[in-house]
Order: sequence, then C-alpha cells, then structure tokens
Amino acid sequence: GDSVTQMEGPVTLSEEAFLTINCTYTATGYPSLFWYVQYPGEGLQLLLKATKADDKGSNKGFEATYRKETTSFHLEKGSVQVSDSAVYFCALSDPDFSGGYNKLIFGAGTRLAVHP
Amino acid sequence: NAGVTQTPKFQVLKTGQSMTLQCAQDMNHEYMSWYRQDPGMGLRLIHYSVGAGITDQGEVPNGYNVSRSTTEDFPLRLLSAAPSQTSVYFCASSYSYSLVETQYFGPGTRLLVL
Repeated sequence: GDSVTQMEGPVTLSEEAFLTINCTYTATGYPSLFWYVQYPGEGLQLLLKATKADDKGSNKGFEATYRKETTSFHLEKGSVQVSDSAVYFCALSDPDFSGGYNKLIFGAGTRLAVHP
Repeated sequence: NAGVTQTPKFQVLKTGQSMTLQCAQDMNHEYMSWYRQDPGMGLRLIHYSVGAGITDQGEVPNGYNVSRSTTEDFPLRLLSAAPSQTSVYFCASSYSYSLVETQYFGPGTRLLVL
C-alpha cells in the first residue's frame, strides 16, 4: 500500500542554519504531495504542496520539489528561525488509493527545534 | 471565521464508557474527516464525509461511528472506549474532496482511556 517515510527527529539547529527534512513515498498512482506543519498546541496547517513531477512548492521561505524519479519531496529552508520550531509532516493523496477522495497519508512527522 | 473548532480539548474516559467528540466548521466546506495521531505513526484517517448525509470509512474505523446531519457539524462517537483509543484526534475540512484541495485542521482533542 501507499506510505510516506520521513527522517526521524528531533532535528536541532541553530538560528540561520540550513534545514533539510527528507521525505520519500510509495504510491500506486500519481499522488499529490504536501508538507503540513504543526506548531505547539495547534492543529496542522498546510505549508506547501506540489501536484505533478518537477513542481516546486514554496511558502514562508520553505521549498520542496516533487521528484518522481526518486519518489521524494524533501523540505528545505535556507535560514531557519526560532519561530520555525514545530513538527513537520509529509503527506500524499493518491487517486488510485483513495477512490478520488482526499484521503491524506501521513509520515510520522519530524520535530524541529531551533535555538537562538 | 472561527475555522474548524473541536470540543473538548482534553478528556479522560474509563474503559467501556462512550463519548462524542465534537467538530464544527464555519467555512461551508463540503468535505470533512477525522484523523487520529499516535506517536511515531503520523495521522491516520478514521472516517470522512463528502457532504451532509454521506459518510464512509477510512483506514482505522473500528470502534468509531460518525454522522453528518448538517454541513457544519461532523461528530465522532466512541461507543465503548478502549485503551487503544488513547490518542489525539483531529478533525479536518476542505472546500471539496479534490485530492489537491487544502485541508484545514482543528486544534485537536486529546483523549486518555484508562
């Protein structure tokens, strides 16, 4: 079945460091890919998405490129801030798996802690 | 707009008790869903609804019931709570059931079953 694998956390960085959180996926169809972020005590919110190969999603300085050949959607940011401390979830929705409905399949999440 | 609201924020139950987790949205979204979040496992889909009167099962539906009598509300019922249902529950909604649609999540309900 479909699945999403993320690098284990926690990831601990100093402010202004470069961030990469790896995400790879397995899907039977041609999925759309998402990164959601969960700040402490809050629900998840969409960070960025990409719906076809080679698309780059971007938001708030974060970027991720849909790589079909490596089945990856790695999240990057050039200079992290303390306010970026959160849990980041990679997710996919697969038309072959979902019967056409938006059923998200999530990775386990990666906790990021940024220190001043 | 309040967005997606969930009540209660935290609940403790004894094994065998029943309860309803409330979820409401004020964005006139057609699609709503319930997920549970467990450590090391990400979120898993419990049930979803594509509109009032229409619901279906997700990945982990056992032990849970849902109904959708209005567009705004999508309650999740635990009929006989079990310790395995200790989790954080998130309700989500989106404008449509399109696979590329952004889903909006509530703040979650933390449930502890003793």
